Amino acid sequence: EVQLLESGGGLVQPGGSLRLSCAASGFTFRNYAMTWVRQVPGKRLEWVSAISSTGDNTYSADSVKGRFTISRDNSRNTLYLQLNSLRAEDTAVFYCAKARCSDCYTKFDSWGQGTLVTVSS
Amino acid sequence: QSALTQPASVSGSPGQSITISCAGSSADIGGYNYVSWYQQHPGEAPKLMIYDVTNRPSGVSNRFSGSKSGNTASLTISGLQAEDEADYYCSSYTGSSTLLFGGGTKLTVL
Repeated sequence: EVQLLESGGGLVQPGGSLRLSCAASGFTFRNYAMTWVRQVPGKRLEWVSAISSTGDNTYSADSVKGRFTISRDNSRNTLYLQLNSLRAEDTAVFYCAKARCSDCYTKFDSWGQGTLVTVSS
Repeated sequence: QSALTQPASVSGSPGQSITISCAGSSADIGGYNYVSWYQQHPGEAPKLMIYDVTNRPSGVSNRFSGSKSGNTASLTISGLQAEDEADYYCSSYTGSSTLLFGGGTKLTVL
């Protein structure tokens, strides 16, 4: 059974940083692209960033380019998202999700339960 | 474009069929066959229901089907059941190497 477990969320001041992690199990992690999607509670989903299975290719939404960095460690079956220069509007639940192929970010067939990031002074 | 356009809400009675639309442009839905649909129950993570416009992952009921015409994609749910009540989101690849989600549609089963 595929399991994705996010961690690292919490309360941070504007301008601060956080690193989110997503521990994966139940599938061959190194074979699949992964992504981060966020959701302000009660609002729509927003795609944040994606990374290919090898980590060679990364893709990000314009709203986070230059501030958020996606990475992965295939030896640890773990996906990361480094969040810098955080703003109040970044407050959201961040989900990690598994893509259905090695270098795609259009279809996500397994999702974690999410970790809440709150940016507030 | 910040989001694809979906109706805020739709409703139907058990056993009926409903269709949720997702309107985009030639730069996203109209230009690529990379439309997906997700179901999200309150307090839960999204679940993939349709990918690549018409494909259903294994385990998803064949009551769910997807289609596309021009710049608009649609999700049809036939034989509505109480457990179908949820929020539904469409997504599409865009020409600028990004992914766009819809605003979401709340489905109420009367």
